[in-house]
Amino acid sequence: DVKVTQSSRYLVKRTGEKVFLECVQDMDHENMFWYRQDPGLGLRLIYFSYDVKMKEKGDIPEGYSVSREKKERFSLILESASTNQTSMYLCASSLAQVTMLQYGYTFGSGTRLTVV
Amino acid sequence: AQSVTQLDSQVPVFEEAPVELRCNYSSSVSVYLFWYVQYPNQGLQLLLKYLSGSTLVESINGFEAEFNKSQTSFHLRKPSVHISDTAEYFCAVSRGSNYKLTFGKGTLLTVNP
Repeated sequence: DVKVTQSSRYLVKRTGEKVFLECVQDMDHENMFWYRQDPGLGLRLIYFSYDVKMKEKGDIPEGYSVSREKKERFSLILESASTNQTSMYLCASSLAQVTMLQYGYTFGSGTRLTVV
Repeated sequence: AQSVTQLDSQVPVFEEAPVELRCNYSSSVSVYLFWYVQYPNQGLQLLLKYLSGSTLVESINGFEAEFNKSQTSFHLRKPSVHISDTAEYFCAVSRGSNYKLTFGKGTLLTVNP
């Protein structure tokens, strides 16, 4: 069964800490995505990557960065965590171009981050 | 920019009642439409999709959606819901050569006994 695995289900961090959220997929997908999910706001795209070492900003990149050194792994970094970054973070992956349409995105189970 | 509007943020229904979750998208050529479901404490799962051909598409668990180009809608329906259908449902669209999904804000379906 294909999978997107997020390393932590729950995280509690202090304000100002540097936080790493890890995501690994085993499907050889080209594209990977990071979203945050908040009540009433749906899913908002933070960053995505369409190839190793390639990245593009999504709708809300401020306060975040990403790293993709290997095809299967996409990391989200909160440079200095703040309380307004408390949220559910979802990682997703997909095949590239038109083949994405056949299978859509595959999502991880999410990481619920609380910044105190 | 393409957008997706889910008109209802919450839909409470009783078990075995019919349900419709509404989704409208901004008009564009070559749209591809998706519905995803998120059960409590899980990630999103693909429920069904419209790419081309028949405008009525079905999922394996009894949901169906109809692509209506003139009304720019892709509403999700089920004639009789179960308690286990309680989840959040997201409509998503991909347009033309931009093979990224734009998601709506979600509709929380709560099925009560």
